[in-house]
Amino acid sequence: KQEVTQIPAALSVPEGENLVLNCSFTDSAIYNLQWFRQDPGKGLTSLLLIQSSQREQTSGRLNASLDKSSGRSTLYIAASQPGDSATYLCAVRRSSGGGADGLTFGKGTHLIIQP
Amino acid sequence: DAGVTQSPTHLIKTRGQQVTLRCSPKSGHDTVSWYQQALGQGPQFIFQYYEEEERQRGNFPDRFSGHQFPNYSSELNVNALLLGDSALYLCASRRNGLAGEDNEQFFGPGTRLTVL
Repeated sequence: KQEVTQIPAALSVPEGENLVLNCSFTDSAIYNLQWFRQDPGKGLTSLLLIQSSQREQTSGRLNASLDKSSGRSTLYIAASQPGDSATYLCAVRRSSGGGADGLTFGKGTHLIIQP
Repeated sequence: DAGVTQSPTHLIKTRGQQVTLRCSPKSGHDTVSWYQQALGQGPQFIFQYYEEEERQRGNFPDRFSGHQFPNYSSELNVNALLLGDSALYLCASRRNGLAGEDNEQFFGPGTRLTVL
């Protein structure tokens, strides 16, 4: 059974710092990994998707890496801003031939950026 | 282009009642998944629908059932509600495919269900 763990569970840093969120998964047979952002009481916003054959993806100030063999992914946020405050969730999709697989999520990292 | 939409936004029910939640996928998407997110937890996969059939199911009892319509929209039904069913219910859609952007899941805003 796939298990996804996110460390740290919570993080509070001053504005402008660069930071790293960690995600680990127990079964390396994944199809892809996706990072999401969730604001309080809201749905999920997709940030980055990394296919199993890829090593990293970048979007603006965000960079996500994937090391499938070791079961790890990191989300790097550069020059953090108060608007980055949210819960960040990591999710993996199991490898499948035809596509029928739900995502397995971690519990998230609750991030607060202090002005 | 509207994203994934869900209705209603909030719902209050009592134990033992039945509830139906609705989801319209993002334009061009044909695969719909439902997730339950308890407070402080990550979303848990309930089931996935494709071509009007349940294609995969997570570890949820038969009280949870669903349906997909020819226009790809979907319903989640929960019977005999328990207090523990109180959660944010999220719908996600994607286009069925094997590579590239087709795999990206897009989530709706969710329906907050409270069971009293």
